[in-house]
Amino acid sequence: EVHLVESGGGLVQPGRSLRLSCAASGFTFDNYGMHWVRQAPGKGLEWVSGISWNSGSIGYADSVKGRFTISRDNAKNSLYLQVNSLRAEDTAFYYCARGIPAIGIGYFDYWGQGTLVTVSS
Amino acid sequence: EIVLTQSPGTLPLSPGERATLSCRASQSVSSSYLAWYQQKPGQAPRLLIYGASSRATGIPDRFSGSGSGTDFTLTISRLEPEDFAVYYCQQYGISPRTFGQGTKVEIK
Repeated sequence: EVHLVESGGGLVQPGRSLRLSCAASGFTFDNYGMHWVRQAPGKGLEWVSGISWNSGSIGYADSVKGRFTISRDNAKNSLYLQVNSLRAEDTAFYYCARGIPAIGIGYFDYWGQGTLVTVSS
Repeated sequence: EIVLTQSPGTLPLSPGERATLSCRASQSVSSSYLAWYQQKPGQAPRLLIYGASSRATGIPDRFSGSGSGTDFTLTISRLEPEDFAVYYCQQYGISPRTFGQGTKVEIK
């Protein structure tokens, strides 16, 4: 069974940084592209970033470009999101999601339960 | 980017009724690259439909998707109590992938 478990969220002051992690299990991790999708409390979904199976293709939403960095460690079955220069508008649940297909634009067939990032002074 | 507009915003229905949810794109979605997700309070989204009309693994056949170009529909043939939730459409034909704002199906 596919499991995605996020961690690393919390309360952080504006301008500070966090590193989000996603531990994957139940599937061959390095066969899939992986993504981060966020949802502000009570709002809709926003794709944040995605990375191909071999890290050869990476993309970001314009809203986070230059501030967020996605990476993965296939040996550890883990996905990461380094979030820097945080702003109040980055407050959201951050979901890790498995992408279909492995490379390129696609949809998300499994999601983690999310980790909440709250940016506030 | 492609803007997806879902309607109605809220759909009050009773169990056993048919639900018809609309997703309209600001430009044509290539190859019907459209997905639908269900989200219940406090839970992550769950994939229902991809490719506009293909059901994801384990999704009951009361859920069906249709449409092409700029107009897509999710139909729930007979609402079960567990179907009351928020539904999102998502296009993946053109980068960046984008989501609609959601339709809440609530108990009437």
